[in-house]
Amino acid sequence: DTGVSQDPRHKITKRGQNVTFRCDPISEHNRLYWYRQTLGQGPEFLTYFQNEAQLEKSRLLSDRFSAERPKGSFSTLEIQRTEQGDSAMYLCASSPGGGSAQYFGPGTRLLVL
Amino acid sequence: AQSVTQPDIHITVSEGASLELRCNYSYGATPYLFWYVQSPGQGLQLLLKYFSGDTLVQGIKGFEAEFKRSQSSFNLRKPSVHWSDAAEYFCAVGAPGYSTLTFGKGTMLLVSP
Repeated sequence: DTGVSQDPRHKITKRGQNVTFRCDPISEHNRLYWYRQTLGQGPEFLTYFQNEAQLEKSRLLSDRFSAERPKGSFSTLEIQRTEQGDSAMYLCASSPGGGSAQYFGPGTRLLVL
Repeated sequence: AQSVTQPDIHITVSEGASLELRCNYSYGATPYLFWYVQSPGQGLQLLLKYFSGDTLVQGIKGFEAEFKRSQSSFNLRKPSVHWSDAAEYFCAVGAPGYSTLTFGKGTMLLVSP
């Protein structure tokens, strides 16, 4: 059973650059979630997809953030014009449906200089 | 809105001693409850979950948790801690049929020899 995978695991970028992260969920999981975790905090919800439809977005997801799941399989999270405050761990999770346990990937750690 | 409180930021336990990590939640009805563990620089691993039924839930790695509705608590326990249990532990709550999880700020477990 292949778990959730994320790429890259680490990303260092300069302020103002764009970055894109990829998440591959557990196969046949139709829900995919993005969370953000800053130092000393628990993960905070950003957005989720049911298949290819983005059904909910948190207020944390500013206009500089965009997420896609074009074929209902993998997902990408793009941050445009990065700011130092975007430095965090970005976690992806998947589940077989609503109300099911969510399974997390290893995360992508972003550092904005 | 739902919320989770983990009152202890750090806990130190001697190897072989018992462990209890506290979690209190705020939610209007019976929520879905979860415990996750996170090793440094890693994603979250699901330890156990409570949806309904028996209020004592068994999980992986010898962990268990007890749902107490009257106290709005879901404390995590382990009878004998191993050095490999040192990690950060997160309690999370979701509404039935939920799409998102709300996490506590975590408790860092340190295991002394």
